[in-house]
Amino acid sequence: SQQGEEDPQALSIQEGENATMNCSYKTSINNLQWYRQNSGRGLVHLILIRSNEREKHSGRLRVTLDTSKKSSSLLITASRAADTASYFCATNFGNEKLTFGTGTRLTIIP
Amino acid sequence: NAGVTQTPKFQVLKTGQSMTLQCAQDMNHNSMYWYRQDPGMGLRLIYYSASEGTTDKGEVPNGYNVSRLNKREFSLRLESAAPSQTSVYFCASSVVAPRADTQYFGPGTRLTVL
Repeated sequence: SQQGEEDPQALSIQEGENATMNCSYKTSINNLQWYRQNSGRGLVHLILIRSNEREKHSGRLRVTLDTSKKSSSLLITASRAADTASYFCATNFGNEKLTFGTGTRLTIIP
Repeated sequence: NAGVTQTPKFQVLKTGQSMTLQCAQDMNHNSMYWYRQDPGMGLRLIYYSASEGTTDKGEVPNGYNVSRLNKREFSLRLESAAPSQTSVYFCASSVVAPRADTQYFGPGTRLTVL
């Protein structure tokens, strides 16, 4: 499968701490995206990073991409209770589709 | 501006029954997608429509059919529901498929097949 795999599967941290989750994939990509899913809701796009980019920021989010290692990481700084959600990476291999990973379930403890 | 809407939100079917899940988007997007989400499996693509008038199979198309009714609407039909189709179904849309742009998701339909 070309599916991205997130690591860890679950993560619990104290409010205010930073959260880091990783995504690995198997073949060359066109771009990689991160999505958030709150319980019982649809996915919400967070950030897209293209294969020729190494780092992108959006507010408290920082995404890195290492194409040589076929991996990406999502860092959420100064976590808040509202960040409790599942986070998915999704990869595009140059075609019309995205392939989603199985997700990291993040719990922020107040 | 409602984004992507899906109906119904919940549905319970008996094995062998049929039903159609409806999806509409008001963002003038060209591409639309149907996914299913099962515990521990992430999202899997069922069918997609890169543009009005075209549809293509995704990773798990068996047991489903789709119709791109117009640019706004993309429906998913289960002709003879099976318990293995118990899942949460999400519709999504994006501006342009070839670059696999940002996808915008609907709230989902929770389907249980008994």
